[in-house]
Amino acid sequence: DSGVTQTPKHLITATGQRVTLRCSPRSGDLSVYWYQQSLDQGLQFLIQYYNGEERAKGNILERFSAQQFPDLHSELNLSSLELGDSALYFCASSVGIRDVTDTQYFGPGTRLTVL
Amino acid sequence: GQQVMQIPQYQHVQEGEDFTTYCNSSTTLSNIQWYKQRPGGHPVFLIQLVKSGEVKKQKRLTFQFGEAKKNSSLHITATQTTDVGTYFCAGPSSGSARQLTFGSGTQLTVLP
Repeated sequence: DSGVTQTPKHLITATGQRVTLRCSPRSGDLSVYWYQQSLDQGLQFLIQYYNGEERAKGNILERFSAQQFPDLHSELNLSSLELGDSALYFCASSVGIRDVTDTQYFGPGTRLTVL
Repeated sequence: GQQVMQIPQYQHVQEGEDFTTYCNSSTTLSNIQWYKQRPGGHPVFLIQLVKSGEVKKQKRLTFQFGEAKKNSSLHITATQTTDVGTYFCAGPSSGSARQLTFGSGTQLTVLP
């Protein structure tokens, strides 16, 4: 158990819909990262937040947005969903002091299926 | 942009055989991390290498960082069924040192 929690575990929805994925980082971690993992694909970095502010942006679509709240939990919002958005979405957290030299602790992921 | 390539993509070995996965970056890396993802699981941090030519061992796993800091390898001696999973390397992105670029991973299957 990494200490990072994600809800829900599974999400099935239809094209055009909007969903919200939730992540709670490990106690004491200030950085939250979001990744997308499609079938047989690697981990694609989407976005990073540090202590409530956006810190780095990857290949995140304009239809996707995220935020980190004062209690440090984060939400990833996916809108106008397409079939290709079906994937595993991981949240990871780190202490956030030195960014990429920090170990990232991954949550169990949310499996999104768009029908 | 920066690319982190891993080979092979898939590897099947008989239990007891050795296994090696290689990671190559198009740019010099300040450090490299290795993660393992079990089937149906999430990536778990294994190790970080920082120094040129660094070699670190964890039981049957040996991690190496190249002299030029553009490549790395993970070698498993005498594989066991518990080694099954996908092994990813990850390095800081060249455009922004604040994000990690993950390799495509090597999926290891260990046949009993």
